[in-house]
Amino acid sequence: NAGVMQNPRHLVRRRGQEARLRCSPMKGHSHVYWYRQLPEEGLKFMVYLQKENIIDESGMPKERFSAEFPKEGPSILRIQQVVRGDSAAYFCASSPPDREAEAFFGQGTRLTVV
Amino acid sequence: RKEVEQDPGPFNVPEGATVAFNCTYSNSASQSFFWYRQDCRKEPKLLMSVYSSGNEDGRFTAQLNRASQYISLLIRDSKLSDSATYLCVPEDQFYFGTGTSLTVIP
Repeated sequence: NAGVMQNPRHLVRRRGQEARLRCSPMKGHSHVYWYRQLPEEGLKFMVYLQKENIIDESGMPKERFSAEFPKEGPSILRIQQVVRGDSAAYFCASSPPDREAEAFFGQGTRLTVV
Repeated sequence: RKEVEQDPGPFNVPEGATVAFNCTYSNSASQSFFWYRQDCRKEPKLLMSVYSSGNEDGRFTAQLNRASQYISLLIRDSKLSDSATYLCVPEDQFYFGTGTSLTVIP
């Protein structure tokens, strides 16, 4: 049973480009969470999704950021028109339906905007 | 909103010492909690769960104090490899606190 898989591990984008981060949850997990971590800071919750539904997006910036978790395929975090301040580690976690906070994390995607 | 609050530290302790830190929570209805550890530039990993009866796993002991709404993590005989940031989260939430930074010094 593979763990949470995130790709790419490292992503470099120029300012103004789009970044797409992918997260495949563990088998049997239907809940996905995205977090952002700036250097020397804590994990900041962004969004909580179940299959085809956004449950809580209270941590998502109002503009340029979107997330989806389609019926088939991985969850995608999309950042449009990236800026230098978007440079961070983005972690995805997944959990089974009955234990929301017993989450397992992927290794993260480190986004660098140049 | 802050579901949990932790002293960010850093806690610097010598190898072999016993160290404890707390995590206060705001939702009195939370029944159980999880402690995670995060090593520098790595993903958080589940360390242990905490229920009303507490939990002990080797050198690690976690306890829940409902009256004062905090959970604690006690690490005995600290090892260098225990150096990490320790994060707590209620089982019905997914907002992590800032975590507590621990450095074990040789």
